[in-house]
Amino acid sequence: KQEVTQIPAALSVPEGENLVLNCSFTDSAIYNLQWFRQDPGKGLTSLLLIQSSQREQTSGRLNASLDKSSGRSTLYIAASQPGDSATYLCAVRVRAAGNKLTFGGGTRVLVKP
Amino acid sequence: NAGVTQTPKFQVLKTGQSMTLQCAQDMNHEYMSWYRQDPGMGLRLIHYSVGAGITDQGEVPNGYNVSRSTTEDFPLRLLSAAPSQTSVYFCASSPGQVSSYEQYFGPGTRLTVT
Repeated sequence: KQEVTQIPAALSVPEGENLVLNCSFTDSAIYNLQWFRQDPGKGLTSLLLIQSSQREQTSGRLNASLDKSSGRSTLYIAASQPGDSATYLCAVRVRAAGNKLTFGGGTRVLVKP
Repeated sequence: NAGVTQTPKFQVLKTGQSMTLQCAQDMNHEYMSWYRQDPGMGLRLIHYSVGAGITDQGEVPNGYNVSRSTTEDFPLRLLSAAPSQTSVYFCASSPGQVSSYEQYFGPGTRLTVT
């Protein structure tokens, strides 16, 4: 059974510092990995999608890497801003069980001005 | 495009009542799914559909029914609400089962069962 873990559960950094968020998964038979942002009381906003054949994906200040063999992905957010404060979730799309997404528990980020 | 829409945003039910959570998408996506989000449990798949007329169970299907009569709509029915169904419910869609597609989520429905 696929399990997805995000450590740490919470992170606090001063504004301007780079953020490094970790995601690990137990089964490398994935289609892709998706990073989401969730603001309190809101829905999920897709940030980046990395296909299983890709090593990384970039969008603006965001960069996500994928190492399928070791079951890890890292989301880097450069030059963090208070507006980056949110919960970040990673999810892997698995080959079995209806192509569902299996989510990690999330990392709650606070960027202090 | 409105994307994925969900109604209502908030709902309070009494134990034993039934209700339907609505989900619609205007992107002609084949694949739709329902998740619930609970503190400490993360998001878990309830039911999913790979196209009109086709539905299947996810991880936590008990107490919920779905149907998919059109490509656009995927309602979730609570047959007899229980306090354990207090949660935030998210509907998601993607273009198809093909592996490369990302999933898009609706804004959620916050349900409280008393």
